Amino acid sequence: QKEVEQDPGPLSVPEGAIVSLNCTYSNSAFQYFMWYRQYSRKGPELLMYTYSSGNKEDGRFTAQVDKSSKYISLFIRDSQPSDSATYLCAMRRGTSYGKLTFGQGTILTVHP
Amino acid sequence: GAGVSQSPSNKVTEKGKDVELRCDPISGHTALYWYRQSLGQGLEFLIYFQGNSAPDKSGLPSDRFSAERTGGSVSTLTIQRTQQEDSAVYLCASSLGPSGRLLPSYEQYFGPGTRLTVT
Repeated sequence: QKEVEQDPGPLSVPEGAIVSLNCTYSNSAFQYFMWYRQYSRKGPELLMYTYSSGNKEDGRFTAQVDKSSKYISLFIRDSQPSDSATYLCAMRRGTSYGKLTFGQGTILTVHP
Repeated sequence: GAGVSQSPSNKVTEKGKDVELRCDPISGHTALYWYRQSLGQGLEFLIYFQGNSAPDKSGLPSDRFSAERTGGSVSTLTIQRTQQEDSAVYLCASSLGPSGRLLPSYEQYFGPGTRLTVT
């Protein structure tokens, strides 16, 4: 079983929809949680980052972490065609630097 | 400013040949990482360099894989005797250093990757 599980989708939604992307994990040592967005044939770019449990909002994006359930989410409000990409969750332990553990990535398409 | 750059962008090689992939990190970043992304898979950690410390090689899949970082900047990932299962996108990332701080500037920033195809 992988340490981080993410539904690969693909997910297709109409423009303006609210999108919910999720990851579950098994390692309770993870304390830092990130979401990366990756456009086709590009490297991942950091979208959101959070520490431990709680919510964080940045414009149309909201990241949620529930450590008790080992579950993280990314919500995209008023989705746009330009949001069409692969979204990767990633996480890192608090005591070791460097290595990120990624989910498989969810392919999202927002159609006009 | 300039981001992480990688070369070549694409590499096609025959099974059994050696390949070298290059990464130029963001200027001033002391930490450098290599990941591999296979088709339909998430990123798989390979190796991590931090300053002058011994690298964390725990993700290298076999002894055919090696990496070095010269002068604390440019890094080369070498794959010897390539196999078809080595076909993937190899991504390099860099960060300011130990990512203990909760600031985006300390997180990892990725290059565009090298797409390796072994025929």
